[in-house]
Amino acid sequence: EAGVVQSPRYKIIEKKQPVAFWCNPISGHNTLYWYRQNLGQGPELLIRYENEEAVDDSQLPKDRFSAERLKGVDSTLKIQPAELGDSAVYLCASSLGQGPSRANVLTFGAGSRLTVL
Amino acid sequence: TQLLEQSPQFLSIQEGENLTVYCNSSSVFSSLQWYRQEPGEGPVLLVTVVTGGEVKKLKRLTFQFGDARKDSSLHITAAQPGDTGLYLCAGARPTGNQFYFGTGTSLTVIP
Repeated sequence: EAGVVQSPRYKIIEKKQPVAFWCNPISGHNTLYWYRQNLGQGPELLIRYENEEAVDDSQLPKDRFSAERLKGVDSTLKIQPAELGDSAVYLCASSLGQGPSRANVLTFGAGSRLTVL
Repeated sequence: TQLLEQSPQFLSIQEGENLTVYCNSSSVFSSLQWYRQEPGEGPVLLVTVVTGGEVKKLKRLTFQFGDARKDSSLHITAAQPGDTGLYLCAGARPTGNQFYFGTGTSLTVIP
């Protein structure tokens, strides 16, 4: 079974340009997460979806970031316009979403590395 | 401000040495997970602990969840170069679907 798939793996853009990242989660995983990770640090949550509903987006900079999860499967994260400080790795993860359970773990994609010049 | 603080932030040791990584918080978690991340890849789950005081062993790695479910530790015995990577703890909150990551510990094991 394929894991979490993300694209593109790498993206280099100039500031003020738009960029979009795509994520295909594991089949059957109801919960989808977008995290941002700076080099050598822990991931920070941007947004969490339960099926197609965004249930936790308090850390998403809504003036420039947007996300959607159509039909509760694939998801897209967009930045427009990008700023220098947005350079980071954007990680997508999915889980069964079963609540407090030993089986409820995160499976991550390989990430999309963004460099803003 | 991250909910979970890890220490040390960086660790460079010789092959064969032992080490312990700590993950601390003032919050209670329903479960605590440890992940390892290699360059250019996403984090990969090592273990999940859910019961206060729980100890789990994975070959040379020993994980412990604090009695109050606010902290955890990872102990590696006889470290090997293959253990090199970024170690991350992650706590699951209330519903269990909210995962908060620690600040990370970058481990380098020198042959």
